[in-house]
Parts: sequence; C-alpha cells; structure tokens
Amino acid sequence: NAGVTQTPKFRILKIGQSMTLQCTQDMNHNYMYWYRQDPGMGLKLIYYSVGAGITDKGEVPNGYNVSRSTTEDFPLRLELAAPSQTSVYFCASSLTQGAPGDEQYFGPGTRLTVT
Amino acid sequence: GQSLEQPSEVTAVEGAIVQINCTYQTSGFYGLSWYQQHDGGAPTFLSYNALDGLEETGRFSSFLSRSDSYGYLLLQELQMKDSASYFCAAQGAGTALIFGKGTTLSVSS
Repeated sequence: NAGVTQTPKFRILKIGQSMTLQCTQDMNHNYMYWYRQDPGMGLKLIYYSVGAGITDKGEVPNGYNVSRSTTEDFPLRLELAAPSQTSVYFCASSLTQGAPGDEQYFGPGTRLTVT
Repeated sequence: GQSLEQPSEVTAVEGAIVQINCTYQTSGFYGLSWYQQHDGGAPTFLSYNALDGLEETGRFSSFLSRSDSYGYLLLQELQMKDSASYFCAAQGAGTALIFGKGTTLSVSS
C-alpha cells in the first residue's frame, strides 16, 4: 500500500497561472480531503468528498475547485493563482467520518509558492 | 461556529510528563482527535476519544470531558523525538474535522 500520494512535491507559480494538485489513495477510502497549512498555523479544510461524484466546501474554498470522478483520485485545481495561495497543501483520506477510531491518513504535502 | 483552543507552545525536558490542553466549541460534537506533525512532515494520527475518559496508547494518553468541552493529550517519558507540533481536531455532525492551530512541543536534554 502506498497510502496517500501527492504530486508535485514542490511548485512555484506565477500570479495568474493555473495548476492541478494531484492526490491518489489506494486504501479504498470513501472520504477524501484537501487542507492548506500556512506557516505556524493549523490545517484549514478547503474541500472534501464523501465519495465519487460528491464534493463539498470546507472553511476556505475560494480560489479552488475539486472533482471526484473515482474513489482513488481527488485533484485540487487552482485557477488564477494569487500570492495568498502560497501554502503547503495536504490531501488526506479516511474510511469513515465521525466513527470511533476514525483516522485520517495524510499525503506528504505539496509546497506551493505563488510569486 | 466551530473553534478549538490549545496553547501555542510547550517546553519540557527528556523524561518529563507534559499535558497539552484543548477546549472546543463544535455543534453536534462526535469526538476529539489528536495528530502529531514533525517539522516538514505530514500529520499522523495519535488518538481519538468519542467517550468521556482516558484512552492510553503506550507513552501517550488522551482524555475527553464532553460536559466541559475539554480534552488533553498526555505525553509521558518524553523523548527528543517527541519534539513536534500536536493538533487537536474536533469532529462535528455532518462536518469534516476542524483542527486547532497546534501546540509546538520542544523537548530538551
């Protein structure tokens, strides 16, 4: 099992460019999440998905889009990148949500700089 | 709204015991999780409390009091490798996890 994988690991974007952050999990988890983490801060939820074809907004969805066409993949799209989107992006997955012992498995993160 | 409060920093020496507190405000509360994150790494799951009381996993224990909207993570026999950030996260009804801002633990020799 590779767990949760993310690509790329690092990326520098110019203001106004677009990109897609890839996330794949091989644990057959229904739930997938995208977080951003700014320096010295906690994780803020961008979007999440409870299964293929179903996505919902988190705390900070503006400037991002997601899709979930398969159980395994949950890409995050940045349109018109802005300096405020400079952050570390983590993808995570879980088998359930809210059940005892519910655990989110995180990918290694993508470090994005927008200049 | 939903929010969690935890101290920003805690320091301790090797072999000591440290407690990291977390208070939460979450509608339809299900449970409280704790995650560890080493500098530059991904968060990793430590524990989950859905019921009041203490859950023990090796050197780490986690406590929850639903009536007080309060929990803590207890780390015993501290080691240098325990230096990391620790996040509490609350699970609410119909929502994904909401994370606190994290507590940076520094363990010195």
